[in-house]
Amino acid sequence: DTEVTQTPKHLVMGMTNKKSLKCEQHMGHRAMYWYKQKAKKPPELMFVYSYEKLSINESVPSRFSPECPNSSLLNLHLHALQPEDSALYLCASSPRQGDRYGYTFGSGTRLTVV
Amino acid sequence: DQQVKQNSPSLSVQEGRISILNCDYTNSMFDYFLWYKKYPAEGPTFLISISSIKDKNEDGRFTVFLNKSAKHLSLHIVPSQPGDSAVYFCAGGTQGGSEKLVFGKGTKLTVNP
Repeated sequence: DTEVTQTPKHLVMGMTNKKSLKCEQHMGHRAMYWYKQKAKKPPELMFVYSYEKLSINESVPSRFSPECPNSSLLNLHLHALQPEDSALYLCASSPRQGDRYGYTFGSGTRLTVV
Repeated sequence: DQQVKQNSPSLSVQEGRISILNCDYTNSMFDYFLWYKKYPAEGPTFLISISSIKDKNEDGRFTVFLNKSAKHLSLHIVPSQPGDSAVYFCAGGTQGGSEKLVFGKGTKLTVNP
């Protein structure tokens, strides 16, 4: 298995909703990442987990709450989002944090906040 | 401050010709650079990397050149194929401690049959 699987692929939520994005990999990678990508912009790092511990939080608002329950799973809990949070949310993994041979990305969750 | 810049938002080439995608960076601390390819509705796919101590890395039709003094790298695709049509992202990374990738804005490559 050489994939990073993200669910759901599309999500529409209201500003008062609570939802979660899920990411799963079974490649034995010990670093997992959340990126946010707006249209015509590069992916922007949000969080990094290394060996299931939060390693980097890029000053992301608290309405985004990451969770890494085990080495294969990464969640992003969403609460009270704003319309400007609408974006493509990408999960990635790598054997170790900052692996120079690149990350494996999932296909992303397209989030729309209404 | 944009540490990685891809100044051409788009590039169009004929099938069989060479595609050259350019990337400039400002952070001299980058230890390596990566190129990713992204199709619509898919996540980025790792393509090729180069260490900051090298000036060239080749993998099949893809070659990346690094000019450290100019803080410039380029991706050459020869020969270009219609299936290469995608958005290409350049990214810089550092090792040791809190490594993370910094991406450019991407260049949309269209290879015409």
